[in-house]
Amino acid sequence: DVKVTQSSRYLVKRTGEKVFLECVQDMDHENMFWYRQDPGLGLRLIYFSYDVKMKEKGDIPEGYSVSREKKERFSLILESASTNQTSMYLCASSFPADRRHQPQHFGDGTRLSIL
Amino acid sequence: AQKITQTQPGMFVQEKEAVTLDCTYDTSDQSYGLFWYKQPSSGEMIFLIYQGSYDEQNATEGRYSLNFQKARKSANLVISASQLGDSAMYFCAMIKDDDKIIFGKGTRLHILP
Repeated sequence: DVKVTQSSRYLVKRTGEKVFLECVQDMDHENMFWYRQDPGLGLRLIYFSYDVKMKEKGDIPEGYSVSREKKERFSLILESASTNQTSMYLCASSFPADRRHQPQHFGDGTRLSIL
Repeated sequence: AQKITQTQPGMFVQEKEAVTLDCTYDTSDQSYGLFWYKQPSSGEMIFLIYQGSYDEQNATEGRYSLNFQKARKSANLVISASQLGDSAMYFCAMIKDDDKIIFGKGTRLHILP
């Protein structure tokens, strides 16, 4: 079975801190994605990556950056956390071959609170 | 613009009854994939079922089936013999031509004992 592991289920940080959310997958997937999920807004794509060292902005990249140094790991970075970044963060991965038909597999999510 | 519409924000269904969750989509692509995900209150997103745009048969996975009507651009999820553990949020999703996936706003399903 595909395993996507996010480093924390719950995280509490303070305004202005630099926050790292880690995601690791064990299925040799080329594609990796970061989403945030908010009530009434659904899932929104923050950043994605189709290969090591490669990254693309999603729909709401402002205030975030990412790092993909190894194929299995995709990190989301909040450069200077703000209260409006309190949210549920979900990482996903998938195979690239015929990408259109590949389901994305998700981690368990990180509930991040910024105080 | 490509989008996914789920018109039922919430549903209440008696245990053991069948459930249909609605999903319509809008795309000009000829080739695309449609997915359903389940999200329990614990937060994880669980992949349930997939339907390819060129698949002639409706997809089935255990108690889940996808009622795919291409001309109507609908991809409804049918859950047979519902169980209490089916209570969750359900998302319909589609892969777009730029390889990003878009999600509907979801339907919250409550199974009543």
